[in-house]
Amino acid sequence: RKEVEQDPGPFNVPEGATVAFNCTYSNSASQSFFWYRQDCRKEPKLLMSVYSSGNEDGRFTAQLNRASQYISLLIRDSKLSDSATYLCVVNTYDYKLSFGAGTTVTVRA
Amino acid sequence: EAQVTQNPRYLITVTGKKLTVTCSQNMNHEYMSWYRQDPGLGLRQIYYSMNVEVTDKGDVPEGYKVSRKEKRNFPLILESPSPNQTSLYFCASGFRENTEAFFGQGTRLTVV
Repeated sequence: RKEVEQDPGPFNVPEGATVAFNCTYSNSASQSFFWYRQDCRKEPKLLMSVYSSGNEDGRFTAQLNRASQYISLLIRDSKLSDSATYLCVVNTYDYKLSFGAGTTVTVRA
Repeated sequence: EAQVTQNPRYLITVTGKKLTVTCSQNMNHEYMSWYRQDPGLGLRQIYYSMNVEVTDKGDVPEGYKVSRKEKRNFPLILESPSPNQTSLYFCASGFRENTEAFFGQGTRLTVV
């Protein structure tokens, strides 16, 4: 079983729509959680960290559910520029970051 | 400008010909790491380093070597490349494992 699993999508949504997707992780000892964004095989860039109480950054909301071992990302009022692959990243221990394969989001005009 | 720099960006080589991909960061980060990215598999960690002269294996270390003689540099060495090492490689650095990782622009390697 993969340490981090994501629905690959693609999620194809119109501008202004809300899109949400999850990521599950297998190790209950996981400590830190992140969402990264990757454009067209370029380098990944941090979108946001995910905190236990959930957190928002503008149109983006991240949630963590430790009991069910998943994190989620919700994008409100989608923009064309939100089209990208979103990587779920989990830190298990000692510098070991585990990456999901990514969820592709395409926002259409 | 704070950045992680990888070279070369693109490389086509032949099986068995030793190569080195360089990685340098100017942010005084202690932590550096190498990943490979393959379709459907996501990023997989090859090696990482917590500080100078301290390195450890990641998930897929076979066929790779690294060294960390200076804090800013973390080269990836392929002693005898094989076609299954054709991939997109990323170097990353950060202050600690629980903080943001900054990635280089990637090296697209093809081994024929």
